[in-house]
Amino acid sequence: NAGVTQTPKFRVLKTGQSMTLLCAQDMNHEYMYWYRQDPGMGLRLIHYSVGEGTTAKGEVPDGYNVSRLKKQNFLLGLESAAPSQTSVYFCASSFHTGSGVAKNIQYFGAGTRLSVL
Amino acid sequence: GQSLEQPSEVTAVEGAIVQINCTYQTSGFYGLSWYQQHDGGAPTFLSYNGLDGLEETGRFSSFLSRSDSYGYLLLQELQMKDSASYFCAVSSGGYQKVTFGTGTKLQVIP
Repeated sequence: NAGVTQTPKFRVLKTGQSMTLLCAQDMNHEYMYWYRQDPGMGLRLIHYSVGEGTTAKGEVPDGYNVSRLKKQNFLLGLESAAPSQTSVYFCASSFHTGSGVAKNIQYFGAGTRLSVL
Repeated sequence: GQSLEQPSEVTAVEGAIVQINCTYQTSGFYGLSWYQQHDGGAPTFLSYNGLDGLEETGRFSSFLSRSDSYGYLLLQELQMKDSASYFCAVSSGGYQKVTFGTGTKLQVIP
């Protein structure tokens, strides 16, 4: 059981280049999320999806696009990378217990370390 | 919007007890979660409180007071491996959206 898998693990881009980060989960979770983590700033939500074919903006969506064409995959795109997008990117997926107290327990991938020069 | 406050750093002695506090401001609050992250690793879920009171999971306990918009994580019998960053996170907006605090770096010393 792989859980949440992110590819690639590391990437260096030049300013203006584009790339796509892939997140795949094999737990049949409905919800998927993309976060970025910068030193001293915790995790900030970029975009999230509550189901196949749906996406929504988080706290810091500018400069990023996402797609959820299949339930198990959530793609994060950078159309024109900027040095300010140098960060560690985490994908997460979650489900809700649906009974008793509702929960949103997030399962994270190992992260993608992106540098934009 | 949502905001969470937690101390940036805490130092505690091996074998001792440490409490990490979290205060929050949010609309549509559903619950408070805690995550642990070791340096270079991914966050992992520790505990969740949806109702007021204490939740216990082994050496870890978490508390929530909805009326005070306050919670804490309690770590007992500290071990060196507990040195990590701890994040509180609130679920809101139909519990689909999760907002994380900036994290508390815990250093356990011998």
